[in-house]
Amino acid sequence: SAVISQKPSRDICQRGTSLTIQCQVDSQVTMMFWYRQQPGQSLTLIATANQGSEATYESGFVIDKFPISRPNLTFSTLTVSNMSPEDSSIYLCSARDGMSGDEQFFGPGTRLTVL
Amino acid sequence: GQNIDQPTEMTATEGAIVQINCTYQTSGFNGLFWYQQHAGEAPTFLSYNVLDGLEEKGRFSSFLSRSKGYSYLLLKELQMKDSASYLCATGGGNKLTFGTGTQQKVEL
Repeated sequence: SAVISQKPSRDICQRGTSLTIQCQVDSQVTMMFWYRQQPGQSLTLIATANQGSEATYESGFVIDKFPISRPNLTFSTLTVSNMSPEDSSIYLCSARDGMSGDEQFFGPGTRLTVL
Repeated sequence: GQNIDQPTEMTATEGAIVQINCTYQTSGFNGLFWYQQHAGEAPTFLSYNVLDGLEEKGRFSSFLSRSKGYSYLLLKELQMKDSASYLCATGGGNKLTFGTGTQQKVEL
């Protein structure tokens, strides 16, 4: 199984600023994803991070607000741009390694608070 | 589109058997997943059903009926550490779509 780490684990940011969250997987994985989990809610998929090409965004999420990079098979970043209090949430990185079938592993999450 | 329904909250006593239901309407179905999430932690994988029937894994079992769009997670010999949110998710293509989760409370 893949082990996923995220940085930072939490942050408090000012309105209008941007934060980049890093996701590192301990092995090469085929698929990486970014989810958002708002307080008391379930997980909502933001986008699929594609290695070497632009991310695939879900309805309601756009690249200008959530730019994503995936330079290789073990690393991805998510930027939350021009933040507002509504962006306060937990952001989770997830990966699927192909060797474990369809199982997806999750990182510990980044708890973001926007003031 | 995807539509997944689970009860919001359930309560049971230690040692009990609990069944958490999940109904779904989805296109491109590629399996039904159950995850456990303790407060403040990331979801952890519990089970995956792609064919109809019951999959047993220790104290946890998961059932799927594709024709009915229905699944359940069965928790046996309930323990205090089982207090958590249980998330039903459908797989479609390469991604997961999650239900709202069921908060399972365990009482002494």
